[in-house]
Amino acid sequence: EPEVTQTPSHQVTQMGQEVILRCVPISNHLYFYWYRQILGQKVEFLVSFYNNEISEKSEIFDDQFSVERPDGSNFTLKIRSTKLEDSAMYFCASSESRLYRETQYFGPGTRLLVL
Amino acid sequence: AQSVSQHNHHVILSEAASLELGCNYSYGGTVNLFWYVQYPGQHLQLLLKYFSGDPLVKGIKGFEAEFIKSKFSFNLRKPSVQWSDTAEYFCAANFGNEKLTFGTGTRLTIIP
Repeated sequence: EPEVTQTPSHQVTQMGQEVILRCVPISNHLYFYWYRQILGQKVEFLVSFYNNEISEKSEIFDDQFSVERPDGSNFTLKIRSTKLEDSAMYFCASSESRLYRETQYFGPGTRLLVL
Repeated sequence: AQSVSQHNHHVILSEAASLELGCNYSYGGTVNLFWYVQYPGQHLQLLLKYFSGDPLVKGIKGFEAEFIKSKFSFNLRKPSVQWSDTAEYFCAANFGNEKLTFGTGTRLTIIP
C-alpha cells in the first residue's frame, strides 16, 4: 500500500537556524498538508497546498513558515528562523481530492527539537 | 468554535475487555468524523470514518464507531481488545473545509 514518507525522522537544531522538513506524498495525490503536534497537545493544522499554491493556512503558519513543491514528488516545509516553541512533531499528509470528506493519509512525522 | 474533545486521556484495560473511547465535537453544521490510530513508532492510520448514512460504521481491526447527532458524539468501540491494540487513538473532524481538527488523543494500554 502506498504511504506518505517523511525525512528526517528526527532533527535537532539551534534556535534561529533554518530547517527544511521533507515529505513525499502518495504519488497520485494532489492535495498536501502539514500538521504539527507539540508534546502533550493536540495535532494542529498548519497549511494545505494544491496546484503550487497555499489553499488554506492557520494562524500558526506565519511568515516564518513556507511550503514548496520543488519537484514532482517532494513537498517541503521550511521554518526560516526556528524558535524554541517550534519544537514539535511535524506530520505531512496527502489526499486525492479536496472534497472535505476525502481521507487524508499521514506520514510518520519528523520530530523537531529546537535548542 | 469548532472543536473536538476526547475526555479519556489514558485508558488501561486487560486483554479481552471491551473498549469505548469517547469523542465529542462542537459544531452545528454537517460534519465528517474520523478515528485515527498511531501505533508506537508508526504513522497515523485511518481506523474508520463517517460521512453520512448508517450512523454505525465499521472499520479495520474489529473497531466500530457510532455517530449520535443529538449528542454530538462519535465514540469508538471494540468488543474485545488485544495487546496489539496498544496505541494512541485520535478522533478528528472535518467541518466543511480542508483541514482536520483533532482531539487531544487517548493513549490505550492493554495489559496481557
